[in-house]
Amino acid sequence: GENVEQHPSTLSVQEGDSAVIKCTYSDSASNYFPWYKQELGKGPQLIIDIRSNVGEKKDQRIAVTLNKTAKHFSLHITETQPEDSAVYFCAAVGAGTALIFGKGTTLSVSS
Amino acid sequence: NAGVMQNPRHLVRRRGQEARLRCSPMKGHSHVYWYRQLPEEGLKFMVYLQKENIIDESGMPKERFSAEFPKEGPSILRIQQVVRGDSAAYFCASSPGGSWETQYFGPGTRLLVL
Repeated sequence: GENVEQHPSTLSVQEGDSAVIKCTYSDSASNYFPWYKQELGKGPQLIIDIRSNVGEKKDQRIAVTLNKTAKHFSLHITETQPEDSAVYFCAAVGAGTALIFGKGTTLSVSS
Repeated sequence: NAGVMQNPRHLVRRRGQEARLRCSPMKGHSHVYWYRQLPEEGLKFMVYLQKENIIDESGMPKERFSAEFPKEGPSILRIQQVVRGDSAAYFCASSPGGSWETQYFGPGTRLLVL
């Protein structure tokens, strides 16, 4: 089945810096790759997603890139702000429709 | 448009009791997914349901756990004879369709087994 690896597990940046989180997946048939942000005590919130017919997608300060050949995708956050501090999860859809999640990256943005 | 709703938000049970977790999907969504999150870990898929049907329960423990999504009313995740290892956050997500549709998550139910 699908397996998703996520790195790094923790990331600390200064306000205004960029943050990059990387994920790899194992199932070449996977076609959909969402990113979720989870704040303490809350449910995951979708922040951006990408499908395999697209190599890059951007939404204001957030961008996602996908390399299907290498089976990896990355989240890029520019001009980070303290409110970006949270746990970020990548996911991929495997053989069925279930999301297979990475283990998460705790992002800390210090001002 | 209300998001995915889950209740209760917190649930405390003693070992051996039953836990019932409820999920109301977003309006217009007929697909429901349940995930479990253990402390310091990612979310693990448990079960996928459409109205009155279980589509995929490959992530569900074989014993004590069951799920339903009746024609009327919320989806229910039921855990019988809870044990301490069941303590976790349980999240429900819904989508308007199946494969590769965006899933929207509820706030979760945090189950603590004493």
